[in-house]
Amino acid sequence: SQTIHQWPATLVQPVGSPLSLECTVEGTSNPNLYWYRQAAGRGLQLLFYSVGIGQISSEVPQNLSASRPQDRQFILSSKKLLLSDSGFYLCAWSPRDTGNTIYFGEGSWLTVV
Amino acid sequence: GQQVMQIPQYQHVQEGEDFTTYCNSSTTLSNIQWYKQRPGGHPVFLIQLVKSGEVKKQKRLTFQFGEAKKNSSLHITATQTTDVGTYFCAGRTGTYKYIFGTGTRLKVLA
Repeated sequence: SQTIHQWPATLVQPVGSPLSLECTVEGTSNPNLYWYRQAAGRGLQLLFYSVGIGQISSEVPQNLSASRPQDRQFILSSKKLLLSDSGFYLCAWSPRDTGNTIYFGEGSWLTVV
Repeated sequence: GQQVMQIPQYQHVQEGEDFTTYCNSSTTLSNIQWYKQRPGGHPVFLIQLVKSGEVKKQKRLTFQFGEAKKNSSLHITATQTTDVGTYFCAGRTGTYKYIFGTGTRLKVLA
């Protein structure tokens, strides 16, 4: 069966510090990968999605970036965090075939102080 | 840009009352999915609708996709405390891209 792992689960970072959130998917190949952000009590905002290694589509201009160094690995990064970057970050995957379910990781709570 | 709005944003109901959330897209959708997020958890897939005018049921939940494929609804009959959470619709607007709605947070009072 397929699983998705995301870490760290929680982190508190000072303004201006770097960020790295990592996500891996197991049990499937060539998945579509996504990063979403959910501000407290708010909806899900699509940040990045990837259909293959090294292929990243950015949805929202910001100081975050994403990379896909391996087929089932998706990384969300920032060189300098802002207070507004605080939120709940969710990695997700869907099968390569179109129109399929999105499966979410457990999420990472980021607080920028 | 493409937007998917949901109303209401919040809904408090007494246990046993019905609940409906509505999802509206600014563009035509290929399909629409519904997800439930329990407090403190991550969204979990509920169902997918593909055809214009499609209606699907899961026990007390009824899902409907509009004729124009730009809106959808989720209706819960006789809510229970286990229904508490935030309900999201998600519309497929491109080959691999899903845009989530703003969500409706449901609170059920026992």
